[in-house]
Amino acid sequence: SQQGEEDPQALSIQEGENATMNCSYKTSINNLQWYRQNSGRGLVHLILIRSNEREKHSGRLRVTLDTSKKSSSLLITASRAADTASYFCATDAYSGAGSYQLTFGKGTKLSVIP
Amino acid sequence: DGGITQSPKYLFRKEGQNVTLSCEQNLNHDAMYWYRQDPGQGLRLIYYSQIVNDFQKGDIAEGYSVSREKKESFPLTVTSAQKNPTAFYLCASSRGQGFSYEQYFGPGTRLTVT
Repeated sequence: SQQGEEDPQALSIQEGENATMNCSYKTSINNLQWYRQNSGRGLVHLILIRSNEREKHSGRLRVTLDTSKKSSSLLITASRAADTASYFCATDAYSGAGSYQLTFGKGTKLSVIP
Repeated sequence: DGGITQSPKYLFRKEGQNVTLSCEQNLNHDAMYWYRQDPGQGLRLIYYSQIVNDFQKGDIAEGYSVSREKKESFPLTVTSAQKNPTAFYLCASSRGQGFSYEQYFGPGTRLTVT
């Protein structure tokens, strides 16, 4: 089952602009992760934010988490053509017997125009 | 993609044939996963394994089988019982199977069944 849902589905911006993607989820989480996927490739982990954190930075990436609204946002500042990719949020879901699995949204497809 | 290899990158099979996708990791990770990705969709979990000789079904296990005889290997067999096997298959691993672990992905295998 897909818990996270990204918005917008697609985003096109000019190089140098900021890109903001949002993720909403339904049930409480322990943490939320963001991944990036270049076309036809595997996913690459970008950042993990815990449920007791509100904001986290990594280079040009800024992630916020609002557990009261069950939402997260990923901001990429000063975008580059190389940032063109799909971005997925993933939330943990309890799958029984002490195990957790990640559930992924459908992603936001970001196009950065040079 | 570092540390996890999937082969082959492209695979073509006739309907009714079983096919096995390879996944190997040299990260010494305990947990491994298989996901399926369809166009414009997020990832759906097929099977996962926390330790050698143990694995659990994910959300869409029907028509698939796995084995975990070695820590570094987690092959996936797509059987003839899988009704719609054409998809992009991604293997991943993580240090543990709790909610705090990021997942490392392989480059994927694109399977086409005609």
